[in-house]
Amino acid sequence: DAGVIQSPRHEVTEMGQEVTLRCKPISGHDYLFWYRQTMMRGLELLIYFNNNVPIDDSGMPEDRFSAKMPNASFSTLKIQPSEPRDSAVYFCASKGQGGALGEQFFGPGTRLTVL
Amino acid sequence: TQLLEQSPQFLSIQEGENLTVYCNSSSVFSSLQWYRQEPGEGPVLLVTVVTGGEVKKLKRLTFQFGDARKDSSLHITAAQPGDTGLYLCAGVWDDMRFGAGTRLTVKP
Repeated sequence: DAGVIQSPRHEVTEMGQEVTLRCKPISGHDYLFWYRQTMMRGLELLIYFNNNVPIDDSGMPEDRFSAKMPNASFSTLKIQPSEPRDSAVYFCASKGQGGALGEQFFGPGTRLTVL
Repeated sequence: TQLLEQSPQFLSIQEGENLTVYCNSSSVFSSLQWYRQEPGEGPVLLVTVVTGGEVKKLKRLTFQFGDARKDSSLHITAAQPGDTGLYLCAGVWDDMRFGAGTRLTVKP
């Protein structure tokens, strides 16, 4: 199993540009999560999907952030326009039908730097 | 607002020492998970605890869930450099939220 795949691994962009982060969850997993990690705020849940449907997006910081899951094998997190304070490592994770006790499998993350 | 408080935030020790890190909340958890994250990688699950008072062991790591299910501890015996990493607890309520983590460095 390839695990959760994220791309790109590193992204450097200038303020005001659009950024799109991509995630391929583990095949067969029903849940997909997007997190943001910074030294100041730790690991924050941004949004999660169940069966491709967004369930909780209360962690999305503002309207500049949007996430989609058009099918079971692909999700995107878009930031438009990007700002320097968006610089962080963004993780995607997926989980199977284990319910609340199920293990989340994390991807390697995308390190975003907004100049 | 962090629902989970982890302490200490940073810990640096010598190889062979023992250590304990803590995860606390004012709310009762349905269950709690501990993850370890190494530099440049995503967190990896170590253990899930469900029952108040539960103790689980994973080689040199001992995890304990508080009787009231509001807190948990992770004890490492005879720490090794390979234990270096960020230790995160994640509390499960209606959803799952992570603490800020304890960053452990074990020096050879």
